[in-house]
Amino acid sequence: DAKTTQPTSMDCAEGRAANLPCNHSTISGNEYVYWYRQIHSQGPQYIIHGLKNNETNEMASLIITEDRKSSTLILPHATLRDTAVYYCIVRRFGNEKLTFGTGTRLTIIP
Amino acid sequence: DTEVTQTPKHLVMGMTNKKSLKCEQHMGHRAMYWYKQKAKKPPELMFVYSYEKLSINESVPSRFSPECPNSSLLNLHLHALQPEDSALYLCASSFTLAGGRGADTQYFGPGTRLTVL
Repeated sequence: DAKTTQPTSMDCAEGRAANLPCNHSTISGNEYVYWYRQIHSQGPQYIIHGLKNNETNEMASLIITEDRKSSTLILPHATLRDTAVYYCIVRRFGNEKLTFGTGTRLTIIP
Repeated sequence: DTEVTQTPKHLVMGMTNKKSLKCEQHMGHRAMYWYKQKAKKPPELMFVYSYEKLSINESVPSRFSPECPNSSLLNLHLHALQPEDSALYLCASSFTLAGGRGADTQYFGPGTRLTVL
């Protein structure tokens, strides 16, 4: 699976949109982009995933660039409960494994 | 219902003890996973079960013994652990192993925090 690069940490003001970038420049055509988050001492929580089209669900939006070499997770109105480590994972179709990187620690500031 | 439950939440054991971790899901998922997460590190895959059969063992030491007695239940039996095995043990499940269209999306339980003395 392709390697991902994420900023180590980010801050965002409460009520604003949080935009979390992820670089996956070596991604191949059969690899999906997944986002999970992990609130302190809890299990990872699935957020969203996509292949090449932008995706939106009740939690977030995923914007994937046209060349698929990077993506951005958008939390539209961040709350204090969104403070967590956010993992961007590239996973090949058919691969049973989910390989976590070091993620981005997002802190929502009141 | 997208819930994976794990018991116990916390476990303290000595190096000579035998204990078990339990994971349960009632979402009709046929793939189940064990992950280990050390402090300040990302989760790492240990085992994968598909249709109650062991599919992947990531070279985990034999003092960890997984068991999948039925499609809803996954156990991790622990014996003769070392203090460095202290970690958060996470269970996850997915509808299939690798079905695409989200069928292989993994859902995690809250974890069992294990301390080995």
